[in-house]
Amino acid sequence: GAVVSQHPSWVICKSGTSVKIECRSLDFQATTMFWYRQFPKQSLMLMATSNEGSKATYEQGVEKDKFLINHASLTLSTLTVTSAHPEDSSFYICSARPSRGSTYEQYFGPGTRLTVT
Amino acid sequence: GDSVTQMEGPVTLSEEAFLTINCTYTATGYPSLFWYVQYPGEGLQLLLKATKADDKGSNKGFEATYRKETTSFHLEKGSVQVSDSAVYFCALRGGATNKLIFGTGTLLAVQP
Repeated sequence: GAVVSQHPSWVICKSGTSVKIECRSLDFQATTMFWYRQFPKQSLMLMATSNEGSKATYEQGVEKDKFLINHASLTLSTLTVTSAHPEDSSFYICSARPSRGSTYEQYFGPGTRLTVT
Repeated sequence: GDSVTQMEGPVTLSEEAFLTINCTYTATGYPSLFWYVQYPGEGLQLLLKATKADDKGSNKGFEATYRKETTSFHLEKGSVQVSDSAVYFCALRGGATNKLIFGTGTLLAVQP
């Protein structure tokens, strides 16, 4: 149980276009989901925390107008990279915290590799 | 701010060798400490955790002890297997914020 999926697993897009990444909790409800970004040989950096039905909370330095987050249901959060540029190329990882259970638990998706050309 | 430092990899070991991956942290207050593992093509999974000083987390033969005096949470396993090959992340939660803060990850490659 406690599986989180991401779609797509990898995507290549042209500079200036927008890309949407989905994060789904498959067998549990998640009031809170998190979006991370990972650069090669670097740690996961938290980008934002999304709560179902409310606006996401962005970390300092993350452009909210560029990285649009929508958490419209208890099992789905989306991250849209708008007007993507090559510097947005990265590995994006989401995680979901079950609505019920320990506040320590976070279940991670397998990640999405974004390449902007 | 809060931070986690772990040894750089890759770490390459032969099967049945002893494993240590060092992790130290900087945090205000009393954070909880975690080790996550990421197998190829999969998401991060919680391997073990410790929530207070001197606690020992253990799972699947892996152990780590929360050492407040040395601000460390080193991961150990007495005899690694090829199936342990993965990336291991040390993390903390608590301190100044309630968010997970990760180290850079250490790639472990176990050869038969």
